[in-house]
Amino acid sequence: DVKVTQSSRYLVKRTGEKVFLECVQDMDHENMFWYRQDPGLGLRLIYFSYDVKMKEKGDIPEGYSVSREKKERFSLILESASTNQTSMYLCASRTSGGSYEQYFGPGTRLTVT
Amino acid sequence: GENVGLHLPTLSVQEGDNSIINCAYSNSASDYFIWYKQESGKGPQFIIDIRSNMDKRQGQRVTVLLNKTVKHLSLQIAATQPGDSAVYFCAESLTGANNLFFGTGTRLTVIP
Repeated sequence: DVKVTQSSRYLVKRTGEKVFLECVQDMDHENMFWYRQDPGLGLRLIYFSYDVKMKEKGDIPEGYSVSREKKERFSLILESASTNQTSMYLCASRTSGGSYEQYFGPGTRLTVT
Repeated sequence: GENVGLHLPTLSVQEGDNSIINCAYSNSASDYFIWYKQESGKGPQFIIDIRSNMDKRQGQRVTVLLNKTVKHLSLQIAATQPGDSAVYFCAESLTGANNLFFGTGTRLTVIP
């Protein structure tokens, strides 16, 4: 089974702090994604990566950056956390093969105070 | 992203009844559709998918119906059980795209 793990389930940070959210997948998937999930808004794509060192902006990239130095790891970075970045963050991965199915991690609930 | 998933936010059903969760999509070029289930405190889990060359696909207790004429997708759950209580998301994609476009989700509550 595909396993996608995220470094923290819950995180509390202060406004202005730099925040790193880590995601690791063990199925050699080429594509990895970061979403945020907010009530009533569903899942919104922040960034995705289709290969090592490659990244593409999603629908809401402002205030975020990403890093993909190794195929299995995709990091989301909040350079200066703000209260409006309090949210659930979900990482996903998928192969570049025929299926578009994305495999999700358990999520990180980030609270910025 | 496309406007996906204009559907009711909540649905309550009696245990044992069948559930139907609906989803509308706006991009007529989309050719791949997927349903996810998200239980409280967990990430979304794949339920079933369908490509646009099909109008129906069945899984274990679940059926997905696709009506391309009216751009409508539905998920039918047979004999709904308490463990089916969750938020259900539809998502769409199209050939060549890297990502999925998600709807806002429907919360299904199963009443014992």
